[in-house]
Amino acid sequence: GAVVSQHPSWVICKSGTSVKIECRSLDFQATTMFWYRQFPKQSLMLMATSNEGSKATYEQGVEKDKFLINHASLTLSTLTVTSAHPEDSSFYICSAGTPATNEKLFFGSGTQLSVL
Amino acid sequence: AQTVTQSQPEMSVQEAETVTLSCTYDTSESDYYLFWYKQPPSRQMILVIRQEAYKQQNATENRFSVNFQKAAKSFSLKISDSQLGDAAMYFCPLFGNEKLTFGTGTRLTIIP
Repeated sequence: GAVVSQHPSWVICKSGTSVKIECRSLDFQATTMFWYRQFPKQSLMLMATSNEGSKATYEQGVEKDKFLINHASLTLSTLTVTSAHPEDSSFYICSAGTPATNEKLFFGSGTQLSVL
Repeated sequence: AQTVTQSQPEMSVQEAETVTLSCTYDTSESDYYLFWYKQPPSRQMILVIRQEAYKQQNATENRFSVNFQKAAKSFSLKISDSQLGDAAMYFCPLFGNEKLTFGTGTRLTIIP
């Protein structure tokens, strides 16, 4: 079946540094990718919708300057957490595709970010 | 705005028995999709079943079936012959207006 690869699976960084998370659709083209944040024992909160070749659409309350999203190709979207702080520590998950366009909506394995 | 409500934070079921997880939603979209995903301790989201809103027939996938009541905006999941591997967090997201909205989830425990 379709696979979405997310890398890295975990990352530890110092406060003030930037971290890049990659999301790749391995066997299909994804014009749309989604980025979510999940706190422990809570649900997934949509952060932004990433569309290939255009600017991402951010949800209300999500700082676009802190969470930079780039979707430069049909198979790759990246989320960069800039100047990370301890409160940015969380589990980040991407999903690729939409059921409306290609009937695919698969999730990456997630990235656990810990900011010291 | 679209919302998803899962009113059962936790459920438990005896192995081999049947359990039903509840999900209600609200959307102004006429075209939308409903899913059930499970998230085991690995935190990988695994698709269990999907339902297109325009289809009246309830989706089934082996031991998993849904009861889709469009007028009532209800989308429950029935798990038959529960197995230990079914233990996980279950979410029933709604895809509409080009975005996926999650409920708070139901943690399912399987009792051996």
